[in-house]
Amino acid sequence: SQTIHQWPATLVQPVGSPLSLECTVEGTSNPNLYWYRQAAGRGLQLLFYSVGIGQISSEVPQNLSASRPQDRQFILSSKKLLLSDSGFYLCAWSLGDYFYEQYFGPGTRLTVT
Amino acid sequence: DQQVKQNSPSLSVQEGRISILNCDYTNSMFDYFLWYKKYPAEGPTFLISISSIKDKNEDGRFTVFLNKSAKHLSLHIVPSQPGDSAVYFCAASGRSNYKLTFGKGTLLTVNP
Repeated sequence: SQTIHQWPATLVQPVGSPLSLECTVEGTSNPNLYWYRQAAGRGLQLLFYSVGIGQISSEVPQNLSASRPQDRQFILSSKKLLLSDSGFYLCAWSLGDYFYEQYFGPGTRLTVT
Repeated sequence: DQQVKQNSPSLSVQEGRISILNCDYTNSMFDYFLWYKKYPAEGPTFLISISSIKDKNEDGRFTVFLNKSAKHLSLHIVPSQPGDSAVYFCAASGRSNYKLTFGKGTLLTVNP
């Protein structure tokens, strides 16, 4: 069966510091991968998605970036965090034509201070 | 521009009764709709989905209804159980664009 891992579970970072969140999927090949953010009191906002290694699509302009160095690894990064980057970050995967059925990881709670 | 709207931020029902969660959408290009359930500090879990070619899909206690003319869908939970207490997100997708658009969620509380 497929499993998705995210780490760390929680993170407190000062403004201006860098960020690296990692997501890995096990038990499947060539998944579609997604990064979402849930800010306080808001829904899930799609940040990036990837349909293959090195293929990244960005949904919103921001100081975050994403990379997919391996088939089942998705990384969310920032060079300098802003206060507005605080939120709950979720990685998700889906398969091929069934892209709409997405399966989420446990999430990372990021607090920028 | 909120394309998927859940106008009720919260809903409270008694155990054993029916819970009805509502969702409206504006984009007529959406053709697949889903409901996700989320507990605090966890990722959402997929619950049930419906294609635009159907008007109803049922899975155990959960039924999703789609009214395309009204651009409205609803999730019925019968009977409601305390373990159903969670935030429910409605989501929609257009054909072949790999993206889901989520609503803001409705907090369901089922009281024993």
